[in-house]
Amino acid sequence: GDSVTQMEGPVTLSEEAFLTINCTYTATGYPSLFWYVQYPGEGLQLLLKATKADDKGSNKGFEATYRKETTSFHLEKGSVQVSDSAVYFCALRSSNTGNQFYFGTGTSLTVIP
Amino acid sequence: DAGVTQSPTHLIKTRGQQVTLRCSPISGHKSVSWYQQVLGQGPQFIFQYYEKEERGRGNFPDRFSARQFPNYSSELNVNALLLGDSALYLCASSLAVRAYNEQFFGPGTRLTVL
Repeated sequence: GDSVTQMEGPVTLSEEAFLTINCTYTATGYPSLFWYVQYPGEGLQLLLKATKADDKGSNKGFEATYRKETTSFHLEKGSVQVSDSAVYFCALRSSNTGNQFYFGTGTSLTVIP
Repeated sequence: DAGVTQSPTHLIKTRGQQVTLRCSPISGHKSVSWYQQVLGQGPQFIFQYYEKEERGRGNFPDRFSARQFPNYSSELNVNALLLGDSALYLCASSLAVRAYNEQFFGPGTRLTVL
């Protein structure tokens, strides 16, 4: 079945450091890929998405490229800020299963000043 | 415009009890999906409804049930609560159930089972 494997955390970085959170997927059909962010005590917010191979999603300095050959969708940011501290979830949505999501287990990021 | 709303925000129940969680989708959205997020894990798909019909079901026991009303709001019911049902329950709405229909998540209901 469809699934997402996400880099385990927690991840602690200093402000302005480079961030990479790895995500790989298994899916039938042609999935869309997403990164969601969850701040403490809040629901999920869409960070970025890519709907087909080689697409690059970007938002707020974060980027991720849909790599079909490696079945990956790694999240990157060149310079993190304290306000980026949150839990990040990689997710896929397969056209074979309507538009329900399959999420990874989440990666907790803490950025220290 | 209001986003997805859920009620109650928090809920405490004891084992064996029953609980009902409520969700109001974004105006104009006809599909509602429910997810369970256990602490430290990613959300797991429970149900999806569209136009009052069930369109998808995750791997959850029959103790979990849901329905969607003519105004597209939805309820999630859980019977015979277990300690393991303690989680954040998220509702998401979308215009329809096509793969390209984006889902918008509500803030969730935090259920604690004692």
